Amino acid sequence: DAGVIQSPRHEVTEMGQEVTLRCKPISGHDYLFWYRQTMMRGLELLIYFNNNVPIDDSGMPEDRFSAKMPNASFSTLKIQPSEPRDSAVYFCASSLEVEGARGNEQFFGPGTRLTVL
Amino acid sequence: GEDVEQSLFLSVREGDSSVINCTYTDSSSTYLYWYKQEPGAGLQLLTYIFSNMDMKQDQRLTVLLNKKDKHLSLRIADTQTGDSAIYFCAEKHQAGTALIFGKGTTLSVSS
Repeated sequence: DAGVIQSPRHEVTEMGQEVTLRCKPISGHDYLFWYRQTMMRGLELLIYFNNNVPIDDSGMPEDRFSAKMPNASFSTLKIQPSEPRDSAVYFCASSLEVEGARGNEQFFGPGTRLTVL
Repeated sequence: GEDVEQSLFLSVREGDSSVINCTYTDSSSTYLYWYKQEPGAGLQLLTYIFSNMDMKQDQRLTVLLNKKDKHLSLRIADTQTGDSAIYFCAEKHQAGTALIFGKGTTLSVSS
């Protein structure tokens, strides 16, 4: 398996533009997580899905952020309009959650580094 | 509320042991984890421990859990320059819930 795939790896955009980040989880995994990493706030959970259904979106900072998972092999995180304070590394992770199994390891993608000018 | 605290930096010399500490607040946490992040990469699971265990050893890694004090530590024996990375402590209540991460400890290993 290729692991969790994220695209693009780097995105530079101007304030006010729409940004779409993409994630392909590991095949067979039933959970998908979106995280944001900044120096100031560390690693923050934004939203997570189980079987394509959003379970907890309390970490989504504002209405400008939205996430979808139309099928088991694809998810998007959209920011519209983007602002400079959205600059961060955004990680997608997936897991197969089975009680007791290898601690339910979350597998992380390489991240998308977003810069909003 | 839930919170995971770690010291931000640790500097050691090659060959020495490194000990990275973490405290958490939620006593109902079932799983506790150590993740490693190398520069420009995502996080990788290093090791984990169930809350009913006190210690887990895996080659150069030793995890100690003190449930009473809600304290978790990661010891890396014979630290190598390749161990330089950010180490994240994380907790989870049960399968199907999200991880709560600390801010990460940057380990710097000098030769």
